[in-house]
Amino acid sequence: AQTVTQSQPEMSVQEAETVTLSCTYDTSESDYYLFWYKQPPSRQMILVIRQEAYKQQNATENRFSVNFQKAAKSFSLKISDSQLGDAAMYFCAYSVAGYALNFGKGTSLLVTP
Amino acid sequence: DTGVSQDPRHKITKRGQNVTFRCDPISEHNRLYWYRQTLGQGPEFLTYFQNEAQLEKSRLLSDRFSAERPKGSFSTLEIQRTEQGDSAMYLCASSTGGHETQYFGPGTRLLVL
Repeated sequence: AQTVTQSQPEMSVQEAETVTLSCTYDTSESDYYLFWYKQPPSRQMILVIRQEAYKQQNATENRFSVNFQKAAKSFSLKISDSQLGDAAMYFCAYSVAGYALNFGKGTSLLVTP
Repeated sequence: DTGVSQDPRHKITKRGQNVTFRCDPISEHNRLYWYRQTLGQGPEFLTYFQNEAQLEKSRLLSDRFSAERPKGSFSTLEIQRTEQGDSAMYLCASSTGGHETQYFGPGTRLLVL
């Protein structure tokens, strides 16, 4: 079975600090893409960042960056300079050959002033 | 571009009734996906379309579920003889295809009494 594991159900960070959300996945495929999605309370899911598995360079998007360790099948998300608006559920996901996304159970991020 | 829209946003029904949800993808997105999300879980794939062709169905999609995308634009998801276990958020997403990013709609929250 192909799975995504997010071992941290909840995380907390102070405003302006840095937090890292962890994710491991399991697939036997070589062509896949990895994603972090954000789902604010009662709002729709939006893409935070994506990583192509064939690329060695870690993706970055402004305050968001990933640490992609292909051999370890690890894909963590680092949020720098955390803001109150970053509070949300964060889902790690991957897709194989452009098919459906396989999601983890999510990590709830709380940002405190 | 307007985003993915879903209708209705909320639906309360009695067990045994049929319900139908609609999804309007971003225009010119030829791929359309349906997911189901229960409380405390990540979304789970149900089915997806490439234009009007339904290319893959999850084992989660029992015989009571049917999805269509008749003209390759909007899609409908029908649940017949609803059960309490069908209570969930039903999410629709669209993409331009392949490994491209999936954009999600706000979801339809179903409660079966």
